[in-house]
Amino acid sequence: SQQGEEDPQALSIQEGENATMNCSYKTSINNLQWYRQNSGRGLVHLILIRSNEREKHSGRLRVTLDTSKKSSSLLITASRAADTASYFCATDEGEETSGSRLTFGEGTQLTVNP
Amino acid sequence: GAGVSQSPSNKVTEKGKDVELRCDPISGHTALYWYRQSLGQGLEFLIYFQGNSAPDKSGLPSDRFSAERTGGSVSTLTIQRTQQEDSAVYLCASSLGIGVPTYNEQFFGPGTRLTVL
Repeated sequence: SQQGEEDPQALSIQEGENATMNCSYKTSINNLQWYRQNSGRGLVHLILIRSNEREKHSGRLRVTLDTSKKSSSLLITASRAADTASYFCATDEGEETSGSRLTFGEGTQLTVNP
Repeated sequence: GAGVSQSPSNKVTEKGKDVELRCDPISGHTALYWYRQSLGQGLEFLIYFQGNSAPDKSGLPSDRFSAERTGGSVSTLTIQRTQQEDSAVYLCASSLGIGVPTYNEQFFGPGTRLTVL
């Protein structure tokens, strides 16, 4: 079963509003990553937060990580219609300097209405 | 190339036939991954290659699934005797891999949509 679980499963907001998506996981992790997927095809990496980090920013994105609660949140500020997509969290349980498989959640479908 | 490429982009096959899906990772990436995504679902890990090490095949759903990575670059995922439940989008990803503090950021290809009739 998938380790990451996102909520909500679907989110519909108006352009300009903020969108918050949450992710919970079960095991210890090296890092947690957020990806975006348009139209059910390739994923685009958005942001990575390491297990010893609590918050990270990238443009309009803000990610938090609470390892004690095994949860993360992705905030998109001042949303745009072009932000409409599915957003997935993925946990990496591997060694810090090696590749390893990611465990993905089921995703949140975000719809931003113009 | 500039990114991960996959071919074909779409594949329709009849139940019982074999299919081969191809992935060209980003040049210089030593780690390569295959995932499967069924309609409306998250990604399911299939197999992971790291350099010349034995691949992690723990995600392959049955012995009908196999994958190779030749010369540490191109990979082929083969599904024998396809079944309807194999219908999904098959995604390939690569990352810089071992020995580099990359924190395993994975770069995904556009996927191959497989439909088994």
